[in-house]
Amino acid sequence: DGGITQSPKYLFRKEGQNVTLSCEQNLNHDAMYWYRQDPGQGLRLIYYSQIVNDFQKGDIAEGYSVSREKKESFPLTVTSAQKNPTAFYLCASRMGQDLTYEQYFGPGTRLTVT
Amino acid sequence: SQQGEEDPQALSIQEGENATMNCSYKTSINNLQWYRQNSGRGLVHLILIRSNEREKHSGRLRVTLDTSKKSSSLLITASRAADTASYFCATASYNNNDMRFGAGTRLTVKP
Repeated sequence: DGGITQSPKYLFRKEGQNVTLSCEQNLNHDAMYWYRQDPGQGLRLIYYSQIVNDFQKGDIAEGYSVSREKKESFPLTVTSAQKNPTAFYLCASRMGQDLTYEQYFGPGTRLTVT
Repeated sequence: SQQGEEDPQALSIQEGENATMNCSYKTSINNLQWYRQNSGRGLVHLILIRSNEREKHSGRLRVTLDTSKKSSSLLITASRAADTASYFCATASYNNNDMRFGAGTRLTVKP
């Protein structure tokens, strides 16, 4: 899982509560990403950040928010506006904007909202 | 939106056999990458093939790319039970400065 940590591994929340997922990397990578994975499906991009203090929406940003105040950290907040938040969330980083760089993934956080 | 589509969705083989997975995509790409995911874990990068390459090898892995057909294949030779995982292709294109992942192929290698 490289130098990316996600915590916690499992997270349980009641419906209507906001929850923040942590993602930290010590790889000195510029770019960071958040993906959502549903059972038996691929990854869908939520948000990404190419540089500190800047981020862009991915394909399914509604109901989510992010911040990038430090290079090492890219927390994701799942808000109560997200209609179906239960999923496996993966954070990734990449060295730079060069498309030939691979992405390094964290171990993921499984969020269950009841 | 997902760019790559893997085929088959699931594949079950005996240890020692070869496993072939295919990936099709829709737009022009800079490169295509294959990743592996063990159940409940993050993805691990396996191999990258650039748009001007046709074939690439890494250990027991062989990847081909046909840009005219917008397709790629991943061959795992002499499979082992430890190869059991989901395999995803991801495309990187100039249109969007990030990668798009397919839904994956679930490979089961029986000992």
